[in-house]
Amino acid sequence: EDQVTQSPEALRLQEGESSSLNCSYTVSGLRGLFWYRQDPGKGPEFLYTLYSAGEEKEKERLKATLTKKESFLHITAPKPEDSATYLCAVQADSNYQLIWGAGTKLIIKP
Amino acid sequence: EAQVTQNPRYLITVTGKKLTVTCSQNMNHEYMSWYRQDPGLGLRQIYYSMNVEVTDKGDVPEGYKVSRKEKRNFPLILESPSPNQTSLYFCASSVGTGYGYTFGSGTRLTVV
Repeated sequence: EDQVTQSPEALRLQEGESSSLNCSYTVSGLRGLFWYRQDPGKGPEFLYTLYSAGEEKEKERLKATLTKKESFLHITAPKPEDSATYLCAVQADSNYQLIWGAGTKLIIKP
Repeated sequence: EAQVTQNPRYLITVTGKKLTVTCSQNMNHEYMSWYRQDPGLGLRQIYYSMNVEVTDKGDVPEGYKVSRKEKRNFPLILESPSPNQTSLYFCASSVGTGYGYTFGSGTRLTVV
């Protein structure tokens, strides 16, 4: 069965303290893996699509990486405005639907 | 500005009173979808549409209807809302499969 598991559920960091969020997935043929950021009460905001193992993408303090089993969202020297829930989703070759993880709630304290 | 527009943002209604949540996108996207988001359950897909006049069920379609008569619009219809449909609803669109979605700002629906 295709599934996505994100860990940890919540992560509290001090401003400037780097860390990583994990997205483990099981899918029969990966079309793409997606990262989104969601602020409370708002719609998810698209960050990246990763298509194949070894691929990396960066945006400001965030960098996403992909292996055959998992993706990491690395956050370097985070700021309070990086606080949000980060969602991961995968799309299989055989299915148009996205399979969503439950998200990691990231809190950056000043 | 490229965007997905949902209306209304907030809605309180009574059980059984038909309602429609509108969704419109200005990006000429082929693919559109409706999701609901509930605490502890995450995002669940209700319906999606690959193109005009083509719609299909997602994971939780019961109690909902959709139509795609024009490329830009994808309304969500609740014929007889019930309290278990109280949720935060999102419309999303994409160029196609394998591409990121643009989400609307959400509609918070309360059915009493």
